[in-house]
Amino acid sequence: IAGITQAPTSQILAAGRRMTLRCTQDMRHNAMYWYRQDLGLGLRLIHYSNTAGTTGKGEVPDGYSVSRANTDDFPLTLASAVPSQTSVYFCASSLGRPTDTQYFGPGTRLTVL
Amino acid sequence: AQSVTQPDIHITVSEGASLELRCNYSYGATPYLFWYVQSPGQGLQLLLKYFSGDTLVQGIKGFEAEFKRSQSSFNLRKPSVHWSDAAEYFCAVGTNFGNEKLTFGTGTRLTIIP
Repeated sequence: IAGITQAPTSQILAAGRRMTLRCTQDMRHNAMYWYRQDLGLGLRLIHYSNTAGTTGKGEVPDGYSVSRANTDDFPLTLASAVPSQTSVYFCASSLGRPTDTQYFGPGTRLTVL
Repeated sequence: AQSVTQPDIHITVSEGASLELRCNYSYGATPYLFWYVQSPGQGLQLLLKYFSGDTLVQGIKGFEAEFKRSQSSFNLRKPSVHWSDAAEYFCAVGTNFGNEKLTFGTGTRLTIIP
């Protein structure tokens, strides 16, 4: 069982380019989340999905979009990357209740130049 | 909305010494509280969580935390740290209100010295 996989592991991207970060889980979890981690700011929620076919905005959604076409996949797209989107991105999943544990992927390190 | 504060950015502890990492939360009702650990270059892993019942919660790797409503705190403790405990630790608060999601603190980096 892999849990959560993320791709790519790292990426350097020119500003203005489009980029999709991939996230796949094999735990049949209902809920999935995207966070960004920045030094001194901890983890901040970008977007989430409570179940396949639905998505919602988190604390810092601007410049990002997500889709949830099926249970397993939750891609995060940067339509036109900017340097302030340089960060480490983590995908997570859970059964979906507030008390449920979130399981995290290994992260994607993204640098926008 | 809920919030969580981890007042210590960085803590250094000798191997074998005891550890306490502080976490304070802000929320009007009983919160759901979590501690996660992040080893270098890794994702986060749950250490323990509290949402009801006994206020002293046992977790993995010998960690425990105590929920103190009067102090709005959920401090993480370990009686004797090991070099492998060096990592970043995140406290998080969640609620059962509406569609609120987990809010993470800014983290405490733990360094272990021989």
